Amino acid sequence: EDQVTQSPEALRLQEGESSSLNCSYTVSGLRGLFWYRQDPGKGPEFLFTLYSAGEEKEKERLKATLTKKESFLHITAPKPEDSATYLCAVQASYNQGGKLIFGQGTELSVKP
Amino acid sequence: DAGITQSPRHKVTETGTPVTLRCHQTENHRYMYWYRQDPGHGLRLIHYSYGVKDTDKGEVSDGYSVSRSKTEDFLLTLESATSSQTSVYFCAIRGGENTGELFFGEGSRLTVL
Repeated sequence: EDQVTQSPEALRLQEGESSSLNCSYTVSGLRGLFWYRQDPGKGPEFLFTLYSAGEEKEKERLKATLTKKESFLHITAPKPEDSATYLCAVQASYNQGGKLIFGQGTELSVKP
Repeated sequence: DAGITQSPRHKVTETGTPVTLRCHQTENHRYMYWYRQDPGHGLRLIHYSYGVKDTDKGEVSDGYSVSRSKTEDFLLTLESATSSQTSVYFCAIRGGENTGELFFGEGSRLTVL
């Protein structure tokens, strides 16, 4: 069964304290792995797509990396405005409908 | 801005009543999706559409039906709402035929009493 597990469930950081979020996945052939940011009361906002092991993507203080079993979202010197829930999702290669399987998310809180 | 509008944004209803949620897009995308989001479960796919009148079930489709009579509109119907269908519902569109990225609407919060 295809599955996505994110850890930790919640993470509290001080401003400037770098850390990483983990997304472990089990899928029958990976077509793509996706990272989203979700603010309270809003829909998920697309951040990155990773397609193959070794690939990295960066955007401001965020960097996403991918291995054959997991992905990391590294947050360098975070600011309070980075506080949000970060969601990871995968698309299986056999999936013809573009359906994504989501993890439960990591709720990040950055204190000034 | 992905051009997705969901309505209503908030609704309170009673058990046994029918409810329809609407998703409207202005981008002319072929694929549209309905997800629900619940604490402890994350986002789960209810139904999706790959064209006008072409729909398919997701992992939690029981109790829900969908219709797509126009490219821009994707309707989710709860024929007889139950308390277990209290949730936040998100519509999404696929960014392109050869991409996997989904772009989400702002959500519709449904409470079934």
